[in-house]
Amino acid sequence: GAVVSQHPSWVICKSGTSVKIECRSLDFQATTMFWYRQFPKQSLMLMATSNEGSKATYEQGVEKDKFLINHASLTLSTLTVTSAHPEDSSFYICSAREVRGTSARGNEQFFGPGTRLTVL
Amino acid sequence: RKEVEQDPGPFNVPEGATVAFNCTYSNSASQSFFWYRQDCRKEPKLLMSVYSSGNEDGRFTAQLNRASQYISLLIRDSKLSDSATYLCVVNLTGGSYIPTFGRGTSLIVHP
Repeated sequence: GAVVSQHPSWVICKSGTSVKIECRSLDFQATTMFWYRQFPKQSLMLMATSNEGSKATYEQGVEKDKFLINHASLTLSTLTVTSAHPEDSSFYICSAREVRGTSARGNEQFFGPGTRLTVL
Repeated sequence: RKEVEQDPGPFNVPEGATVAFNCTYSNSASQSFFWYRQDCRKEPKLLMSVYSSGNEDGRFTAQLNRASQYISLLIRDSKLSDSATYLCVVNLTGGSYIPTFGRGTSLIVHP
C-alpha cells in the first residue's frame, strides 16, 4: 500500500512555542491530505482538509490561526501548532489520499504514523 | 444523530470465535466505505474497502447494506492479534469525498 510518513513522531515543548509537523506521501501524489487529532480513548477528530495549492478547509471549532496548514506540493503538507498550550497535547495524525477520477473505489486514506505532542 | 455510529464495545470473545460489527451512517448519499484497524497508540491502518457486492479477505468479510444504511465487518476464527479498535469510515459526497470516522469498536480476543 501507499506509504505516508510523518515527522516528528513525538515532540515535547514548552507552553507558548510553535510546533511544525510534516506529512509526506512517499510513493504517490496526494491531492488531498487530512489532519486529525485524537485524544486518549477518543475517536479521530478531523481538524482540516488540505488540498494542494489551495487554502485548507477547517472543521467547525478548529482555529485556523492556531493550526496553520500548508500544502505546498503534492507530496507534502505541514501543520503548525502556534503558541501551543497544554490543552493542545494530543496525537496528531495526517492522512493522504490520491483521488482517482470520480470512482468511489481507490479513495482510501493512508495514514502517517502520527505525532505525539506534549506541551508542558 | 451522529453521521457515523458504531457500538464502542468492548467485544470480548475467545480465540476462534466469530464476531461481527455494524456501523450505521446517516447520509444516504455516502459513496465509499472502509474499515480501518487501529492498535493502541498507533495510527489507523486500512483493513478493507467495502464494496456494494460485499468482499472477503481471508477471515474478514465486509458488507454494505444501502437500504438500511449500514456496513458490517465479520471476523471468523478470531486470533489474539485481532484485538484492536475497528474504525468505520464513510466518505460523504460533494465531490471531495470528505471522510467521516465512527468512534470505533473495541475488540478483545482472549485465550
